[in-house]
Amino acid sequence: EAQVTQNPRYLITVTGKKLTVTCSQNMNHEYMSWYRQDPGLGLRQIYYSMNVEVTDKGDVPEGYKVSRKEKRNFPLILESPSPNQTSLYFCASTPLAGRQETQYFGPGTRLLVL
Amino acid sequence: KQEVTQIPAALSVPEGENLVLNCSFTDSAIYNLQWFRQDPGKGLTSLLLIQSSQREQTSGRLNASLDKSSGRSTLYIAASQPGDSATYLCAVPPINTGTASKLTFGTGTRLQVTL
Repeated sequence: EAQVTQNPRYLITVTGKKLTVTCSQNMNHEYMSWYRQDPGLGLRQIYYSMNVEVTDKGDVPEGYKVSRKEKRNFPLILESPSPNQTSLYFCASTPLAGRQETQYFGPGTRLLVL
Repeated sequence: KQEVTQIPAALSVPEGENLVLNCSFTDSAIYNLQWFRQDPGKGLTSLLLIQSSQREQTSGRLNASLDKSSGRSTLYIAASQPGDSATYLCAVPPINTGTASKLTFGTGTRLQVTL
């Protein structure tokens, strides 16, 4: 089944404890991105990747890191999480970067930073 | 900077009614406009994608229109069903971002269809 998977789905952590949220797609998509969703603010893009080893900042990149060593994986890294990073996170992918194609979203990761 | 607004924020209708969800955007220079559905605890599911050169797209009971010059799109749902209850989001990739892949989202309309 074609899909975008995220792990974990739910995570409670404490301030300053490094964490990684994994994202994987099995559709050989070029473009992958991370969004966070907050009440009243909608979805905002954190980072995106046009292809392997090509990543760039989105609208709200502060406090996050990403890497794209393989086409299928695009992990989101929080080196030192803070309470303002409590949010619902989505990974998304699309077949060809820059083309007008729909995006496929993962199920989301709900993060609580205490 | 592109801003996308969706009104109303929430809507409750009885089963069987036809309804319209609205989306407006400030910069008309867009590659396309997409409508998504979000169910609680799940990700977003793409419903319709309208190219900038198109006026509307249809999929089953859904019809989306696009008026770029006025910065508006509508999602029409015919004969609503309880299973249509979800949050509906519109999103646009502004041309000034240089890629059709970078989306700016509205904050969504939460729809509840009652029996």
